[in-house]
Amino acid sequence: AQSVTQLDSQVPVFEEAPVELRCNYSSSVSVYLFWYVQYPNQGLQLLLKYLSGSTLVKGINGFEAEFNKSQTSFHLRKPSVHISDTAEYFCAVTPMNRDDKIIFGKGTRLHILP
Amino acid sequence: GAGVSQSPRYKVAKRGQDVALRCDPISGHVSLFWYQQALGQGPEFLTYFQNEAQLDKSGLPSDRFFAERPEGSVSTLKIQRTQQEDSAVYLCASSPGQGAVEAFFGQGTRLTVV
Repeated sequence: AQSVTQLDSQVPVFEEAPVELRCNYSSSVSVYLFWYVQYPNQGLQLLLKYLSGSTLVKGINGFEAEFNKSQTSFHLRKPSVHISDTAEYFCAVTPMNRDDKIIFGKGTRLHILP
Repeated sequence: GAGVSQSPRYKVAKRGQDVALRCDPISGHVSLFWYQQALGQGPEFLTYFQNEAQLDKSGLPSDRFFAERPEGSVSTLKIQRTQQEDSAVYLCASSPGQGAVEAFFGQGTRLTVV
């Protein structure tokens, strides 16, 4: 079975400052990793995903994430946030090479301060 | 359509009422997933279809929850005798192949049981 832990339920950050949202996972098999964003009253939009290859993954809206297998982490970063980045961010995993569902973390609310 | 479409977007039900939530996946998508997202929580897996076959229903919380996808396209999630704890956003996702690696999510149906 897989599980995802997002250590911070809320992260306040000033506009134009850098941000890191932390994600750790647990799995007995290799996994694919995802970050999704959810704006108020909206569905989930894929920010980026790690399937294989380079451990640094670049996504939409200037976000990037780094897969660290030894630390079972997949932290999300952005060098300079904007007010429009205010949203809920979800880290997620699914088993590699298997026909299976995505398991989500509980989410981190990114709160941009003016 | 261009994306995953869910209807209705909002539903208010009286406790004890039956409800039916509809999901129109992206045309041609093989896999379809249902998730339940309680307020302030991450999405929780409910059930997974591959074409018309329900491959995994391990996340359905009780026998009051039932899902179907009879022709391998549109899916309906039915909740019988709704209770207050059923209040949540119900998200549907579809993907072109097996599993959830390329999943696209709908905007969800917000169910409020009063």
